[in-house]
Amino acid sequence: GNSVTQMEGPVTLSEEAFLTINCTYTATGYPSLFWYVQYPGEGLQLLLKATKADDKGSNKGFEATYRKETTSFHLEKGSVQVSDSAVYFCALRGGADGLTFGKGTHLIIQP
Amino acid sequence: EAQVTQNPRYLITVTGKKLTVTCSQNMNHEYMSWYRQDPGLGLRQIYYSMNVEVTDKGDVPEGYKVSRKEKRNFPLILESPSPNQTSLYFCASRRTGDSNQPQHFGDGTRLSIL
Repeated sequence: GNSVTQMEGPVTLSEEAFLTINCTYTATGYPSLFWYVQYPGEGLQLLLKATKADDKGSNKGFEATYRKETTSFHLEKGSVQVSDSAVYFCALRGGADGLTFGKGTHLIIQP
Repeated sequence: EAQVTQNPRYLITVTGKKLTVTCSQNMNHEYMSWYRQDPGLGLRQIYYSMNVEVTDKGDVPEGYKVSRKEKRNFPLILESPSPNQTSLYFCASRRTGDSNQPQHFGDGTRLSIL
């Protein structure tokens, strides 16, 4: 079946640091890949997505590239802010319509 | 404003007392789904619905029921709640026909079963 593995954290960084959150997946076929963000006390919001190999999703300074050869979709940001503190979920959608989520990565940005 | 609305946001109740968590979306989405979020486990799908009167089990359906009598509503029913159903629940919806459409999530319902 499908699965998503991501670093669980917490990941603690200083403001303006470079961020990488690793995500790898196992799936049959060609899944669509997503990053969702959950701010404290809120639901999940789509951050970015990629639907085919070598696609790059980007939003709010975050980027992730769909790497089929390494089955990865790592999330990066060049300079994080305190407001980026949240839980980040990597997810995929394969043949069925449901999403398979990773366990989430808690990101803490210190001023 | 496009949104997915869940009620209640918080509920503390006791074992065995039937409860329903409502979910409503105003985007005319065909697909709706329920997830539970638990520490160290991420989100897991409970049930989903491709359209009115069509529902299917997700990964963790035991102890839950759903119904889809109208397109906008997708209630989650716990007939006899147990403490292991204490969790944070999310409803989501999206348009079908394009598998790249993202899901829109509600703000969550935190259930505590004593």
